[in-house]
Amino acid sequence: SAVISQKPSRDICQRGTSLTIQCQVDSQVTMMFWYRQQPGQSLTLIATANQGSEATYESGFVIDKFPISRPNLTFSTLTVSNMSPEDSSIYLCSVDMGEGNEKLFFGSGTQLSVL
Amino acid sequence: SQKIEQNSEALNIQEGKTATLTCNYTNYSPAYLQWYRQDPGRGPVFLLLIRENEKEKRKERLKVTFDTTLKQSLFHITASQPADSATYLCALGEGGKLIFGQGTELSVKP
Repeated sequence: SAVISQKPSRDICQRGTSLTIQCQVDSQVTMMFWYRQQPGQSLTLIATANQGSEATYESGFVIDKFPISRPNLTFSTLTVSNMSPEDSSIYLCSVDMGEGNEKLFFGSGTQLSVL
Repeated sequence: SQKIEQNSEALNIQEGKTATLTCNYTNYSPAYLQWYRQDPGRGPVFLLLIRENEKEKRKERLKVTFDTTLKQSLFHITASQPADSATYLCALGEGGKLIFGQGTELSVKP
C-alpha cells in the first residue's frame, strides 16, 4: 500500500494566478498520475509523471497550463497556471504500486475554487 | 463514441439489504475493471479488480461480476450498513490506462 500526502487540501484563488499542488508518497514509485474531478463528473487523467522524464499529457491538457515536476521517486507537483473559474475542481494525485494501472492509491485531493 | 455509464441517480436502500450498482460501457475492450469507493472530501479507495476472463470476484460482503458480452459489471454489497454510504466508481483498464465512470452515490438508511 501507499500513503499519499497532498497539499494544500483546499484553496481559493483569484483569476489569472497560479497554484502549485504537492504530492508526497511514503515509498518510491515509478509512475505518478494527476487527475481532475469536476463537480458531478468522473475522474479525468491529466498526465502521467515519471521520474527523470517529461510528463505525458492526455488529450485536452497541455504543459503550459499544467506544468508538472517529478524531481524524485517520492514527490511530484502539479501547477495550475493562469487560472480561470473553469479550473475549479478537485485535483488528485495517485500512484500505481503494482503492474501497470492495476491498483491505484489516491491522495485526498485538492479542492480548488477560482473566483 | 466511447462511454462508461453508472446509475446517475443516487441509490437509497435499507440497512441489511443488498445494494446493486451497475457499470455499463460501450466501445471499450477492457482487460480488467475496478471498483473504487469515494467518501466526501477524500480520494477514491480501491476495492476490487476483476479481469476479462473472470466472471465473478468476491471480497467479504462485496461481489463483482463482469460480463464482456453485455459490456456490464455489477457491484453488490450484501448486508449493507450505513457505513457503506459513499460514492462508488467503476474504472476500466484499457491500453495501460484507467478510465473512470462518474460514480453512483449509495445511501444506506438505518
